Amino acid sequence: GAVVSQHPSWVICKSGTSVKIECRSLDFQATTMFWYRQFPKQSLMLMATSNEGSKATYEQGVEKDKFLINHASLTLSTLTVTSAHPEDSSFYICSVQQETQYFGPGTRLLVL
Amino acid sequence: GEDVEQSLFLSVREGDSSVINCTYTDSSSTYLYWYKQEPGAGLQLLTYIFSNMDMKQDQRLTVLLNKKDKHLSLRIADTQTGDSAIYFCAEKDSGFQKLVFGTGTRLLVSP
Repeated sequence: GAVVSQHPSWVICKSGTSVKIECRSLDFQATTMFWYRQFPKQSLMLMATSNEGSKATYEQGVEKDKFLINHASLTLSTLTVTSAHPEDSSFYICSVQQETQYFGPGTRLLVL
Repeated sequence: GEDVEQSLFLSVREGDSSVINCTYTDSSSTYLYWYKQEPGAGLQLLTYIFSNMDMKQDQRLTVLLNKKDKHLSLRIADTQTGDSAIYFCAEKDSGFQKLVFGTGTRLLVSP
């Protein structure tokens, strides 16, 4: 299956700053990627579907101005958490759509 | 909307078989998946089954699907300590690429 990387693997930032997380498809050109959020000991919550060359489709309840998604190429999607607050602390995981979804290793964000 | 449920926790001894269960509500599911998540990591696809199949075996893994009862199970034979992880089932609707994940089952394998 597709090999997916994320960068950074973990990040600590101050409240009010913005953080960008990258998701790369290393061996597959992905027109569709997904961004998930996972709280401790909970399941994955789909945040948005990232479509190459067009706007992302956000799930209900996810603020599009807060979580900016850019899918500028077939191998890269970025998620920017703007004006981060402590409640944005979470584990963010991306996936690439091939015959099924293949997941990146995740990025742990801690907002102080 | 779709709902996927799993038991939260399963503890087994090394060498035993593990059975992780999953129930779902969407009768139009086309594919059902099992993913494994180790601590601090992303999800690893273990296996999947098409909705017109009853069973699929892949080495130590056996997936059983009861479409009538909307019940999916994953059996791990000869469970090893390295199998300790969280296991998620997921279903995909025929019309969409989105996956709906279960709540996850934490499997603990003791020596």
